[in-house]
Amino acid sequence: AQSVTQLDSHVSVSEGTPVLLRCNYSSSYSPSLFWYVQHPNKGLQLLLKYTSAATLVKGINGFEAEFKKSETSFHLTKPSAHMSDAAEYFCVVSDDSSASKIIFGSGTRLSIRP
Amino acid sequence: DTEVTQTPKHLVMGMTNKKSLKCEQHMGHRAMYWYKQKAKKPPELMFVYSYEKLSINESVPSRFSPECPNSSLLNLHLHALQPEDSALYLCASSQESTGLGVETQYFGPGTRLLVL
Repeated sequence: AQSVTQLDSHVSVSEGTPVLLRCNYSSSYSPSLFWYVQHPNKGLQLLLKYTSAATLVKGINGFEAEFKKSETSFHLTKPSAHMSDAAEYFCVVSDDSSASKIIFGSGTRLSIRP
Repeated sequence: DTEVTQTPKHLVMGMTNKKSLKCEQHMGHRAMYWYKQKAKKPPELMFVYSYEKLSINESVPSRFSPECPNSSLLNLHLHALQPEDSALYLCASSQESTGLGVETQYFGPGTRLLVL
């Protein structure tokens, strides 16, 4: 069965420093992987999506993620954090049993220190 | 345009009330979804509609009743809810899967529901 593990429930970085949010997945087949961001009291916004076209995926707002099959990882990075990046981030993997289902990680709350 | 709209933004209802949540998209998507999200938790899938037909019901209690009147609209009818049903209700839509991978789901801003 598919699963996704976000290794940190909370990450705090200083403004202007790099961001790393870690995600590991398990999947029987070639998965689709997503990162979504949710700002307080808002819906989910797609940051980026991996579908096997390229292992390094660039997303919105300067975020990118690298698919590493050997490590079953899909970590999200950004070179320089902004205060506006403070939010909840969800790593998501496709469900092999259904094209309509996606499986959410538990989320990582990103805090930005001034 | 990747916008999904939801109304109302906030809703307070008593346990004997009947209310409805509405969701709309004009992206031509043929799959629409309802999720429930409790505080500090990821969204949980409730229902999936594909081509206006209910395709997935994740064992949701019957006090939640979905409806898809047409390809752009999705409703969630609420009746006799319990306080533990208080949550953020998110709607999403996507292209119907072609079997070449999961289609991206686009989420609305949600309706924050409080049941008293």
